[in-house]
Amino acid sequence: DIQLTQSPSFLSASIGDRVTITCRASQDISKYLAWYQQKPGKAPKLLIYSASTLQSGVPSRFSGSGFETEFTLTVSNLQPEDYATYYCQQFNSYPLTFGGGTKVEIK
Amino acid sequence: QVQLEESGGGVVQPGRSLRLSCAASGFNFGNYGMNWVRQAPGKGPEWLAVILYDGITTEYADSVKGRFIVSRDNSKDTLYLQMNNLRTEDTAFYYCARKQWVARGEFDLWGQGTLVIVSS
Repeated sequence: DIQLTQSPSFLSASIGDRVTITCRASQDISKYLAWYQQKPGKAPKLLIYSASTLQSGVPSRFSGSGFETEFTLTVSNLQPEDYATYYCQQFNSYPLTFGGGTKVEIK
Repeated sequence: QVQLEESGGGVVQPGRSLRLSCAASGFNFGNYGMNWVRQAPGKGPEWLAVILYDGITTEYADSVKGRFIVSRDNSKDTLYLQMNNLRTEDTAFYYCARKQWVARGEFDLWGQGTLVIVSS
């Protein structure tokens, strides 16, 4: 199975900050990585797929990059509604797997 | 509106069975692959199973293979998860999620989840 390791597990940031979350895959997954945002008591929401394609309706302050084993999610100009937990998920092969998550909290 | 709604969760004893349902509305359910994902309280999501639009092609996570069965009834716009021989570690919120048409079928629509508690 492909393991996804996210870092950091937790980060504290202020409104307007730029934050970057990393997701490392245990093997080459090409560009087949998605990012989700999850708020307490809610289901995850798709933000980015194919490593860098913004899902329809998602604000442009979210961006993704990466290829093969190293990927990043960047949130520029952090907004109050961006405080949440973020997960990566690989779609290269079954079983599909998620990263352990990164919780973004208010500084 | 476009939505998924899970039902069927509850408290069940270890070793027993439970069937979850996911009712789809607002879109052509029969055109989409569907997934089940669970999330234990305070933990990250865990993908469990996928079933393609044809109702024939399925894949499972090792943790549930042989115990859980995913199925669908396109005439009823409903997805199912039959969970057998439940274990305490199956306690979680269970979500159904739609495979989007483009790219690799990432999960573009999720239900609100239903809670399953396995306890004696």
